[in-house]
Parts: sequence; C-alpha cells; structure tokens
Amino acid sequence: KAGVTQTPRYLIKTRGQQVTLSCSPISGHRSVSWYQQTPGQGLQFLFEYFSETQRNKGNFPGRFSGRQFSNSRSEMNVSTLELGDSALYLCASSLFAGGPIEQYFGPGTRLTVT
Amino acid sequence: AQKVTQAQTEISVVEKEDVTLDCVYETRDTTYYLFWYKQPPSGELVFLIRRNSFDEQNEISGRYSWNFQKSTSSFNFTITASQVVDSAVYFCALSQGGSEKLVFGKGMKLTVNP
Repeated sequence: KAGVTQTPRYLIKTRGQQVTLSCSPISGHRSVSWYQQTPGQGLQFLFEYFSETQRNKGNFPGRFSGRQFSNSRSEMNVSTLELGDSALYLCASSLFAGGPIEQYFGPGTRLTVT
Repeated sequence: AQKVTQAQTEISVVEKEDVTLDCVYETRDTTYYLFWYKQPPSGELVFLIRRNSFDEQNEISGRYSWNFQKSTSSFNFTITASQVVDSAVYFCALSQGGSEKLVFGKGMKLTVNP
C-alpha cells in the first residue's frame, strides 16, 4: 500500500508570491491534516479535513488556506509569502476523523522563501 | 489549553546504553490521547505508539517501552540497548478525544554513537 505522498518535495519561492502544496493520503483514508515544522516553533497544527470539510483549524493567519477534494486529496495554499513561512510542511492521513487514531505522515514539502 | 513539554532537547549515548525520553503534558480534558513519533533525518514522522487517558498500563514493544503515569502527567519512553539506527528526533504529542489535531512537544534529538 502506497504511503502518504506530498508534492513537490522542495520548493523555493520569493516573498510575496503564493504557493500550493499537494497531499495524497493513503488509499482509503479520508482524513487529512497539515502541520508546519520550523526550528523555532516546532510542529504546529494547520488544519484538518474530512470528507471535503474543514473540521479543525490551527492558529495561523488567513494567508494559510486549504481544501480537500472528493478523492480525499488535499491542497494547502499560502498567499503573500513571508520569510517566516519557510518551513517543512507535513501532511498526515488517517482512516477517519473523530479519533484520534494513527496518523500516517508524508515526507513533507520543504518550502524556502527568499 | 493543551501543552506538551519535552525538557531534554538533545541526548547523546553510546550504543547499547539505555535511554529514557521524558514527556510531561498538560490538559483539562478527561479523555485524551498521547503519542510518540520518531523523525529520522529523512523527515517523515513515524508513528510509534498511542495511549488513551484511561489506559495506564505500561507497554513494551521489543526494545521500546512506555511508562504512562497520570498522577504526574508523564508519558516517558525508554529505549533499551540503543542502536545507531535509533538516532532521530523523537516527539511526544497529545490530542483530545474526538480530534485529529496533535499538539507536539519540541522534540528531543537522540544521537546513538557506535
């Protein structure tokens, strides 16, 4: 069974641009969560989606948004990039929501904002 | 508010030594879940264990063991006879019942030297 895949794996953007990251969960998993990992703040929860609905949102500005499609794939978007958005963005999938149960993480997308 | 504290930031041991990773949590919820994840240099978070707040039984899995004590709000992780492959960053995390959102500690970098 294929694991969680995230694309792209690496990305370099310029301040002020926007970026879209993609996450494909494990087949059959319907819940997707996103996390931001930085050296200073550690791992922080961004959002959680289940059946195309956002169930939970972390404490991030409105520049961070996400969505989930009917096939459970998810995207997150960051608009008007700032230097502080440089981070490893991790996606996790689980079988269903309302757990928590085991979440399986992808390899992450490393975003560098210059 | 929920909080996870991993007081140790970095530990270095020699192979075959035992090592214990401390985790202290704070929550007002009566139903919650505790997790340990391992993050090797590749970046992908690997699930190790999940414990719910009603199950204080210690658990052993091979060289890994976990000690959950509600009285001290701790969920410590011990690696027996450490190996070089155990070198990674280890995260303790907390989630309230019914939510996939994980609150992570800052992580503890373990280096096992040959």
